[in-house]
Amino acid sequence: ETGVTQSPTHLIKTRGQQVTLRCSSQSGHNTVSWYQQALGQGPQFIFQYYREEENGRGNFPPRFSGLQFPNYSSELNVNALELDDSALYLCASSLRRGTGIHNEQFFGPGTRLTVL
Amino acid sequence: AQKITQTQPGMFVQEKEAVTLDCTYDTSDPSYGLFWYKQPSSGEMIFLIYQGSYDQQNATEGRYSLNFQKARKSANLVISASQLGDSAMYFCAMRENQAGTALIFGKGTTLSVSS
Repeated sequence: ETGVTQSPTHLIKTRGQQVTLRCSSQSGHNTVSWYQQALGQGPQFIFQYYREEENGRGNFPPRFSGLQFPNYSSELNVNALELDDSALYLCASSLRRGTGIHNEQFFGPGTRLTVL
Repeated sequence: AQKITQTQPGMFVQEKEAVTLDCTYDTSDPSYGLFWYKQPSSGEMIFLIYQGSYDQQNATEGRYSLNFQKARKSANLVISASQLGDSAMYFCAMRENQAGTALIFGKGTTLSVSS
C-alpha cells in the first residue's frame, strides 16, 4: 500500500449535481495530483497542487476545481456533472524535489464516480 | 500526435516466461522521464520502474527492466519469469521537464499470465 487514501470509494450522482472527492497524501509529501481515468483508457492529468496552490492544469474545464490543505490533503470538486464525468478519479501524492522529473507519484485506490 | 503509444491492447504469457510490453513516446524536450505503472483490477496504480532521458544505463528493478532506446524513442518494459500475480493493466507514462509535473499516460496493455 502507498499510504494514499481516497474517499469515498464509490459514488453515484445525477447530471447537474456537484461532487467533492477527498484525498489524504502519504506522510511527508507536499504535492498532490489528480487524474481522471475513463473506462479502458489511461489516466488523464486534471491538475496538481503544491504547497496549497495550483501548480499545473490539464485540459479540463473550470468546473473541475481543487483545494490543498495545510496538512497536504486535497479535494477535487466537480460542478454541473455531465455523463462523461463518469470515471475513476485517482489522486497521487509526491515529494517535490529539484526539477521534479524523477518525483515518483504514489497513487491512491481511486474513487469511482458514476453520473446518471 | 499521441505522446505515449502502447500498441498492444492485450498480451498473453505463461508462467515463468518473459514478456515485453511495448511503449513509444514523442517529445522534443531533451529532459524527460519515463515511468511504468501496473494497475490491478482493484484500480490502484503501482509504480514499477523509472528511466531518465539522461540515464546511460537501462533501469532495472527486480524482475522488471526497461529497454530504453533513445534514438527510436522507445521504452519497452521487460518482465522476466512471469507470475500469475502479474496479470494486470500496464501503463507507460512520461513527464517532460518543460511541461511541468504532469504524467502523460498511454492507453495501457492488459497482461494475462496463465499457469
